[in-house]
Amino acid sequence: AQTVTQSQPEMSVQEAETVTLSCTYDTSESDYYLFWYKQPPSRQMILVIRQEAYKQQNATENRFSVNFQKAAKSFSLKISDSQLGDAAMYFCAYRFNSGNTPLVFGKGTRLSVIA
Amino acid sequence: KAGVTQTPRYLIKTRGQQVTLSCSPISGHRSVSWYQQTPGQGLQFLFEYFSETQRNKGNFPGRFSGRQFSNSRSEMNVSTLELGDSALYLCASSFGQGDTEAFFGQGTRLTVV
Repeated sequence: AQTVTQSQPEMSVQEAETVTLSCTYDTSESDYYLFWYKQPPSRQMILVIRQEAYKQQNATENRFSVNFQKAAKSFSLKISDSQLGDAAMYFCAYRFNSGNTPLVFGKGTRLSVIA
Repeated sequence: KAGVTQTPRYLIKTRGQQVTLSCSPISGHRSVSWYQQTPGQGLQFLFEYFSETQRNKGNFPGRFSGRQFSNSRSEMNVSTLELGDSALYLCASSFGQGDTEAFFGQGTRLTVV
């Protein structure tokens, strides 16, 4: 079974600084997707960034970027120029690329942003 | 365009009762998935519906059931509630089966007392 591990239950970062959240996963599949979701206090899960496993190039969305190391099964999220609004729970998730497979989530990392 | 709507937002029930939660997906989306979120277990997949048919089911007891209507709205039902069912229940919609982008609602916070 696929598993996703986030080893940092909590992280903090100074406003305007950069922070990296770690994620490792275990799968025997070669075709899959990886995601980072943000869950603010409003509880709504918001997709931050997505990476297709077959793409070697790391995904980037504005201040958010990933470091995808397929061989190491590592998928870290880098947040640059951190803002107060970035404070939230961040979940790493995996999905095997087949019709009706669900998302498999890590336990999450709580990010605090210090003004 | 309206997002995923879950109702109610909060619910308090007594052990042994049953509960029904509702999810209205984004207009045009035909796939609805349900997840249970608890502090101890994290986010766990309950089931997925596509075109009114359950396509996948997680490892939950039969007390947890769901359905999807022709307008893609979905309901999940939990019978004989237990204290351990207290959780945030999240619904996600996507355009098609296995669509890589899922949009989540704000969830229903269920408390069983």
